[in-house]
Amino acid sequence: QVTLKESGPALVRPTQTLTLTCTFSGFSLPKMRANWIRQPPGKALEWLVHSDWDGDTFYSASLRDRLTVSRDTSKNQVVLTMTNMGPLDTATYFCAQISSKWELVYWGQGALVTVSA
Amino acid sequence: QSALTQPPSASGSPGQSVTISCTGSSSDVGGYNFVSWYQQHPGKAPRLIIYEVTKRPSGVPDRFSGSKSGNTASLTVSGLQGDDEADYYCSSYGGRDNLVFGGGTKLTVL
Repeated sequence: QVTLKESGPALVRPTQTLTLTCTFSGFSLPKMRANWIRQPPGKALEWLVHSDWDGDTFYSASLRDRLTVSRDTSKNQVVLTMTNMGPLDTATYFCAQISSKWELVYWGQGALVTVSA
Repeated sequence: QSALTQPPSASGSPGQSVTISCTGSSSDVGGYNFVSWYQQHPGKAPRLIIYEVTKRPSGVPDRFSGSKSGNTASLTVSGLQGDDEADYYCSSYGGRDNLVFGGGTKLTVL
């Protein structure tokens, strides 16, 4: 059974850096193709980044300068870092496994992150 | 990359059919057969219901179908049921290794 679970802080102060972790299980590491997607309250989904286990990483052009993705093979984790958080970054952040044809097959439950002083 | 355009709302009575459109450009929807559709109930994660324009994952009822013509993809829900009431999002590979979503459509079952 494939599972993904996001974890991280529920509250972040403006200008701080957000670090979110996606822990996955149920498939072999070489097949890991993790994507991060976010959804502000009441709004649409927004794609953030794609990361293969072999190191290929592709970022949203609009957020490229603020995002970093890393992998911890020993813990089956993918870590998203977003710098200089602001109120507009308040959203539920989802981790998802994507296929080679760019469909998001498996999703985590999401982690709500609120940016507020 | 601009978001794909979806109608904000759609509705139909139980048993009826409803179609939701997703309009992009030749750089995304029109250029690749990598269009997907997701169903999202309130407070839940999205669920993949259509991929590669027309394919259904295992477990998705055949009441859900997808198609594409030019730069516009469509999702049709036939035999509407109460549980179909949800938000629906399309996505497409946008070239240059990126993914683009639509703005979402709220489907109401009257």
